[in-house]
Amino acid sequence: SYELTQSPSMSVSPGQTASITCSGDKLGDRYVCWYQQKPGQSPVLVIYQDNKRPSGIPERFSGSNSGNTATLTISGTQAMDEADYYCQAWGSNVVFGGGTKLTVL
Amino acid sequence: EVQLVESGGGLVKPGGSLRLSCAASGFIFSSYSVNWVRQAPGKGLEWVSSVRSSISSGTYIYYAESVKGRFIMSRDNAKNSVYLQMNSLRAEDTGVYYCARDHNSLLDYWGQGTLVTVSS
Repeated sequence: SYELTQSPSMSVSPGQTASITCSGDKLGDRYVCWYQQKPGQSPVLVIYQDNKRPSGIPERFSGSNSGNTATLTISGTQAMDEADYYCQAWGSNVVFGGGTKLTVL
Repeated sequence: EVQLVESGGGLVKPGGSLRLSCAASGFIFSSYSVNWVRQAPGKGLEWVSSVRSSISSGTYIYYAESVKGRFIMSRDNAKNSVYLQMNSLRAEDTGVYYCARDHNSLLDYWGQGTLVTVSS
């Protein structure tokens, strides 16, 4: 079955750029979505089709996908961006990465 | 406004059964696939099941290997609802269960989740 791998955690200082990666075999051949989940809340879609932002998602969120790695980039990271982030693609069905806990400090 | 509201969670003993419901509103329900996704306490997201429908090819239901043969997903377009019948429940099935709308292979709207606890 298809697998997606994310680093469990990372930290970033406020105002800096956070790059969260997701790896999978030939991931660049598939569309990738990214979800943000804050404690006690449901996941929210922040990036779809590799690099598109749903309405209401700030411009500081961007995405890319090439080769075996997709990247979610948060420019000018704010304290409110502290959350778990999950990548998602399609194998035979929905596949999630293990999630990355982003700490802003 | 698109809304998905889950219900039916609770405490159940190992080996028991539970039926979750997801009521949808604010969109043409029959035109969309719907997924169940769960999250064990302190863990990541795990896809559980999906129901995919199209006028041309009919309805297909898919399951994760971890629940295949124990869980049954269904949909009732007249009631704008999907269901997850969970049988032979195990401790490892404990978690929050979300339903999520599937729009061209992305999960664009999620419900608030319903907690299932399997414990003696």
